[in-house]
Amino acid sequence: EVLLVESGGGLVQPGGSLRLSCATSGFTLSNYEMNWVRQAPGKGLEWVAYISSSGGTIYYPDSVKGRFTISRDNTRNSVFLQMDSLRAEDTAFYHCARESSGYGRPLNLWGPGTLVTVSS
Amino acid sequence: SFDLTQPPSMSVSPGQTATITCYGDPLDDKNVCWYQQRPGQSPVLVMYEDKRRPSGIPDRFSGSKSGTIATLTISGAQAVDEADYYCQTWVSPNVIFGGGTKLTVL
Repeated sequence: EVLLVESGGGLVQPGGSLRLSCATSGFTLSNYEMNWVRQAPGKGLEWVAYISSSGGTIYYPDSVKGRFTISRDNTRNSVFLQMDSLRAEDTAFYHCARESSGYGRPLNLWGPGTLVTVSS
Repeated sequence: SFDLTQPPSMSVSPGQTATITCYGDPLDDKNVCWYQQRPGQSPVLVMYEDKRRPSGIPDRFSGSKSGTIATLTISGAQAVDEADYYCQTWVSPNVIFGGGTKLTVL
């Protein structure tokens, strides 16, 4: 079965750090570009990171640039999101999402998400 | 910065046609995707490249685009279609989502 499963979320104080993991199965990770997308409770979707299939190209929006770091280990079928200097506004469910081929960067596979809560 | 604007909510009667819009200026040079997110679930891709349906998506879902407006149409809406719908595009290097439209089928 083709699956993405995130882990590593939890409660962290403002200024703290967390490392999220996305375990993939059922497909060859090295063939796919991957993203992280977050969703604050009751709010919309916000893209937070992209990594190319080889890991050589990485993008972030301004809202997390300099604080979040995406990485991947194709040999371990995993994608990671290191989150530093966390703020209350980073509180959200964090989903990893696989890009399919196609223009516009469609995300055709999503994990269930892991909840990150930033609070003192 | 580039924004995608969706109506926050809309309702449709079962069996009727739901038309969800997504405004962006400009949009004619971009490809638009659509996602369905049912309560408590992860998003599911229901349309890409403006009007292409992924395998497994019912053919009552269709997409179109004209000028600054992309549209997701659900013909013969069913109760299972009640969900949040998000449009998405790409303005290099960023992925951009619309704010979402909550579709109620009643």
